[in-house]
Amino acid sequence: AQTVTQSQPEMSVQEAETVTLSCTYDTSESDYYLFWYKQPPSRQMILVIRQEAYKQQNATENRFSVNFQKAAKSFSLKISDSQLGDAAMYFCALSDMRFGAGTRLTVKP
Amino acid sequence: NAGVTQTPKFQVLKTGQSMTLQCAQDMNHEYMSWYRQDPGMGLRLIHYSVGAGITDQGEVPNGYNVSRSTTEDFPLRLLSAAPSQTSVYFCASSYSIIEGRNEQFFGPGTRLTVL
Repeated sequence: AQTVTQSQPEMSVQEAETVTLSCTYDTSESDYYLFWYKQPPSRQMILVIRQEAYKQQNATENRFSVNFQKAAKSFSLKISDSQLGDAAMYFCALSDMRFGAGTRLTVKP
Repeated sequence: NAGVTQTPKFQVLKTGQSMTLQCAQDMNHEYMSWYRQDPGMGLRLIHYSVGAGITDQGEVPNGYNVSRSTTEDFPLRLLSAAPSQTSVYFCASSYSIIEGRNEQFFGPGTRLTVL
């Protein structure tokens, strides 16, 4: 059974606008990490942002931030001021090496 | 540093053939893994290794074999290729998975087609 769920197979955003990608997960661990990875058309996966479960403060990396709701087991990614280079597949992942199915983000000029 | 390298980038096999996908990393990472990526299914873990001489099965290990004789290399062997193994394969490495905080570094992937 998949333990990381990304319910949006595709999303679209206008350049310079904000978009939020959703992720829910299931784990029995009390401490864990969550990650968002980006896979551009080149296929090279890179880390976007990570969140430790017992830190209440949401992680932020420049235009990327997360909304982490531990009780709801929700971990969404917000991309502000979207750029054409943000177009990619985005994967949510748990520290137990499980990945979601991915969300394909299109950025419209 | 080259990071994580994979060869080949593309491969076409006939059903029943065997082959080895190569993976190497030069970051002295303890942990290495193999994933397959299929449309709508994300990345699924095939096998992983927490150090030289230690390997274990992931979510979808059937039809694949691995070994880890050195820290740097982690080859994936397809014993008898089947069309269901048509996929994109990624190798990844991480400093450690014990604490869980370490990101994985990925290779560029191998697109495999089995006819």
